[in-house]
Amino acid sequence: IAGITQAPTSQILAAGRRMTLRCTQDMRHNAMYWYRQDLGLGLRLIHYSNTAGTTGKGEVPDGYSVSRANTDDFPLTLASAVPSQTSVYFCASSVRASGANVLTFGAGSRLTVL
Amino acid sequence: GQNIDQPTEMTATEGAIVQINCTYQTSGFNGLFWYQQHAGEAPTFLSYNVLDGLEEKGRFSSFLSRSKGYSYLLLKELQMKDSASYLCAVRGSNYQLIWGAGTKLIIKP
Repeated sequence: IAGITQAPTSQILAAGRRMTLRCTQDMRHNAMYWYRQDLGLGLRLIHYSNTAGTTGKGEVPDGYSVSRANTDDFPLTLASAVPSQTSVYFCASSVRASGANVLTFGAGSRLTVL
Repeated sequence: GQNIDQPTEMTATEGAIVQINCTYQTSGFNGLFWYQQHAGEAPTFLSYNVLDGLEEKGRFSSFLSRSKGYSYLLLKELQMKDSASYLCAVRGSNYQLIWGAGTKLIIKP
């Protein structure tokens, strides 16, 4: 099934632990994104990648890192989780990061940091 | 700063028409998107406007006025399945999307 796969679906994590959220797409999209969604706030961009081998910082990058070794995979790592990182995380992709290019979203990963 | 405003919540009746407004202030403008998000699910694309005017797509229409920094999403013949949050997003000068907080639409029978 074409689209974006995120894992895990949900996770409870102790503060201070390291966590990697996985994201894989099979649409050969060039651009990929990580957003977090919190109640009452719009989606906020954490990191993005316009093409394999490049990454950029979004609006709220602190405490997160990403890599884009190939077109399909875009993992998000929390080096040392803190409670403020409790959120729903969405991975998304688009053909390009411009114009009318529509974002396709994964189903989301719900992360709780205690 | 950059800002996108939408009403937090709206209620409408099944079969009726509802208009969800979005106003924006952004550095640069490269298009405006509307997405639908059902509770617990991912956002899905509804419409895209880059020029002034109305874009119609079935029961859904979206309007844009760039000079006023204003858009609306019009939903006709409301169905219960239209109960969802509607997200307005603007593509700014750096080509990244800036998102509103979303409007939760409640449809009553």
